[in-house]
Amino acid sequence: GEDVEQSLFLSVREGDSSVINCTYTDSSSTYLYWYKQEPGAGLQLLTYIFSNMDMKQDQRLTVLLNKKDKHLSLRIADTQTGDSAIYFCAETRGGSQGNLIFGKGTKLSVKP
Amino acid sequence: ETGVTQTPRHLVMGMTNKKSLKCEQHLGHNAMYWYKQSAKKPLELMFVYSLEERVENNSVPSRFSPECPNSSHLFLHLHTLQPEDSALYLCASSQLSGSNSEQFFGPGTRLTVL
Repeated sequence: GEDVEQSLFLSVREGDSSVINCTYTDSSSTYLYWYKQEPGAGLQLLTYIFSNMDMKQDQRLTVLLNKKDKHLSLRIADTQTGDSAIYFCAETRGGSQGNLIFGKGTKLSVKP
Repeated sequence: ETGVTQTPRHLVMGMTNKKSLKCEQHLGHNAMYWYKQSAKKPLELMFVYSLEERVENNSVPSRFSPECPNSSHLFLHLHTLQPEDSALYLCASSQLSGSNSEQFFGPGTRLTVL
């Protein structure tokens, strides 16, 4: 398909790990991104991964990239209530600089 | 604070009004973007300015008119909007060098068209 796909909702308990999945479409995307949007705010870049990597770790965040399946995931370890937000996956489309194509976002709810 | 500011944060307008959204970036970036975020759709890229030249216009209706007077400022002029134009309008900026397209977003303007 043409779209960047994400599941719309994820609910976890505080302290558990969260895994948010994304499938993208453009195999020439050089960077793939995860953005976080808290209520009433704009998007904040969380992390990104270069397409020649298959994993990137940054504190509680782990990004896994499967280029063959065009699958990207974001794992948040020890999820906290402050992690409740919408998480967007984005790819660079057609290799164009600056043109990001976003998924619809996954709303993460963290229950105490 | 991402270094990108947007005003106003909220705007209510009638279908016959003319208003403008403003975006300012303090990051020294050379590209700026307008996105529309609706409740049930993915983020939609509306316009891209690179070095103050419009390089992308994704089939946006003419009732939306962008303006980029310099590399730090971006406007979106609105006139005769429709209720379905109600959405969150996000501005972003980036530095176009190499292949990393990391964009920094403003907080958005929540627009309601009555």
